[in-house]
Amino acid sequence: QVQLVESGGGVVQPGGSLRLSCAASGFTFSSYGMHWVRQAPGKGLEWVAFIRYDGSNKYYADSVKGRFTISRDNSKNTLYLQMNSLRAEDTAVYYCAKGKYSGYDNPTDYWGQGTLVTVSS
Amino acid sequence: DIVMTQSPDSLAVSLGERATINCKSSQSVLYSSNNKNYLAWYQQKPGQPPKLLIYWASTRESGVPDRFSGSGSGTDFTLTISSLQAEDVAVYYCQQYYSTPQFTFGPGTKVDIK
Repeated sequence: QVQLVESGGGVVQPGGSLRLSCAASGFTFSSYGMHWVRQAPGKGLEWVAFIRYDGSNKYYADSVKGRFTISRDNSKNTLYLQMNSLRAEDTAVYYCAKGKYSGYDNPTDYWGQGTLVTVSS
Repeated sequence: DIVMTQSPDSLAVSLGERATINCKSSQSVLYSSNNKNYLAWYQQKPGQPPKLLIYWASTRESGVPDRFSGSGSGTDFTLTISSLQAEDVAVYYCQQYYSTPQFTFGPGTKVDIK
């Protein structure tokens, strides 16, 4: 069965960096686009970033553009999110999610359990 | 960017009764070349990640009970739970994937038992 397991969250000071990982299994990882979506405590869902199945295209929400970098290693079935210049408003649970089809214009059909990132001094 | 709104913010429905959630997009999410609405609905229970319920506005995801249905086209959409069960208590989000690569979620609607 499809499994997505995020890791790498924790407490970081404002201006600091963190790298999140998402280990995928149960499907052909290299065939699907992948997303990062976050949820601040008690708030709604905010899409963060998307990467095409082959890593050729990457897209970001305006709120993280220039600070976050999405990447993937298809040989390791792993998705990453490098987060730099972190701000208090980046505090959230970060989910990785799988695109339902191989393109980018489709919904997400599987989500991980999420990893909490807290930006605080 | 497409802005998604939902109404109501929350609702309480008696067990076995119908629950209706509305979602509106600031511009059409209907792609004329294939006549598909690029709109999905998700359910999020407390402490859990979101779960895909409906996509293409009205296609039920595999394994989703048939009491969940989606309707609408263009800019106005509805998620209906025909007979609310206790396990349906959750927050429901709509999402557009038309204006990719910006995948916008609505603010969510909380459903409780009356």
